Amino acid sequence: KQEVTQIPAALSVPEGENLVLNCSFTDSAIYNLQWFRQDPGKGLTSLLLIQSSQREQTSGRLNASLDKSSGRSTLYIAASQPGDSATYLCAVLYGNNRLAFGKGNQVVVIP
Amino acid sequence: DGGITQSPKYLFRKEGQNVTLSCEQNLNHDAMYWYRQDPGQGLRLIYYSQIVNDFQKGDIAEGYSVSREKKESFPLTVTSAQKNPTAFYLCASSGQGEYGYTFGSGTRLTVV
Repeated sequence: KQEVTQIPAALSVPEGENLVLNCSFTDSAIYNLQWFRQDPGKGLTSLLLIQSSQREQTSGRLNASLDKSSGRSTLYIAASQPGDSATYLCAVLYGNNRLAFGKGNQVVVIP
Repeated sequence: DGGITQSPKYLFRKEGQNVTLSCEQNLNHDAMYWYRQDPGQGLRLIYYSQIVNDFQKGDIAEGYSVSREKKESFPLTVTSAQKNPTAFYLCASSGQGEYGYTFGSGTRLTVV
């Protein structure tokens, strides 16, 4: 069974600092890995999708890396802003098109 | 704009009632999914459907039922057999290959 772990569960950073969020998964046989953002009481918004053959994806201030062999992904958010405060979820697609989620990194950016 | 629409946003259920949550997508995606989200537990898969008229149980299907009569629609019924239905329910869809998952905005169900 695929298990996804996100560390740390919660963190606070001063505005302007870079954010580093970690995700690990137990089974390296994945099709892709997706990072989502969730605001309180809202649905999930897709941030970045990394195919299993890729090493990283970038969108604006966001960069996500994937090391499939070690079962790890890292999401970097450069120059954090208060608007980046949210929960970030990592999910891997594996097996019969199943998606396994981590429990999320709850981020607070302090102005 | 293409996307997933979930309704209602808030739903209240009395003990012993069945309620149905709506999920509609206009992304032409083949696969659709229902997840339940509880605080501290992450997202758990209830049911999924990869094609019309076919669906499979996820990890926590007991007390729930679904149908997939149209490609665009995947309603979830929370039956009276579900003993702890208060949660945030999320619907998602995915296309073939590399497109990832798209989520709706969720329905918050509360038992009163």
